[in-house]
Amino acid sequence: DTGVSQDPRHKITKRGQNVTFRCDPISEHNRLYWYRQTLGQGPEFLTYFQNEAQLEKSRLLSDRFSAERPKGSFSTLEIQRTEQGDSAMYLCASSLSSFSESYTFGSGTRLTVV
Amino acid sequence: SQQGEEDPQALSIQEGENATMNCSYKTSINNLQWYRQNSGRGLVHLILIRSNEREKHSGRLRVTLDTSKKSSSLLITASRAADTASYFCATDAEGRKGGSEKLVFGKGMKLTVNP
Repeated sequence: DTGVSQDPRHKITKRGQNVTFRCDPISEHNRLYWYRQTLGQGPEFLTYFQNEAQLEKSRLLSDRFSAERPKGSFSTLEIQRTEQGDSAMYLCASSLSSFSESYTFGSGTRLTVV
Repeated sequence: SQQGEEDPQALSIQEGENATMNCSYKTSINNLQWYRQNSGRGLVHLILIRSNEREKHSGRLRVTLDTSKKSSSLLITASRAADTASYFCATDAEGRKGGSEKLVFGKGMKLTVNP
């Protein structure tokens, strides 16, 4: 297990198209998080899962965004009808569910909406 | 919303010098963490300090935490060109007992170490 994997690394899409990103966490980590990061800013929380249950969603996660984690393993983040404002780096992280653990981040998926 | 705020926002130093960055936050916390991010990459965890700790060391890193002032500092000693990166502090949201549901990150500080 080499860490958290994200696919693809880069995605360029036309406005209005749907995109889906995948995240494979560290296998023994129960928690999985999605963050969005724009240039010059820190990561902003989108949503997180404890096993397969989605426990919290940010207000940033509009109706066009949906995330799943079937079987508590990998996760997907889908953005429907993309807008230029969705252009950002989408980061996935995982952690153990015990108290106050650190996160392991993937390298991110950079989305550009043209 | 971003809870932590790093200061300064950017710092440029010469190799071998020490770098100090500060983080202020707003609500009570269970722990505070520092992460590093190289350009275009994911974040890498550096160090975690719990609310009942005042100082922690890891290699060339020294972190302090003052819960009364709601602030933390990260000191990198004997800096190297490879330390050039953005540094973020992160806190668990609102200090809930029993564990942190999520981390809230600051805007980050860009450190440049010139060879």
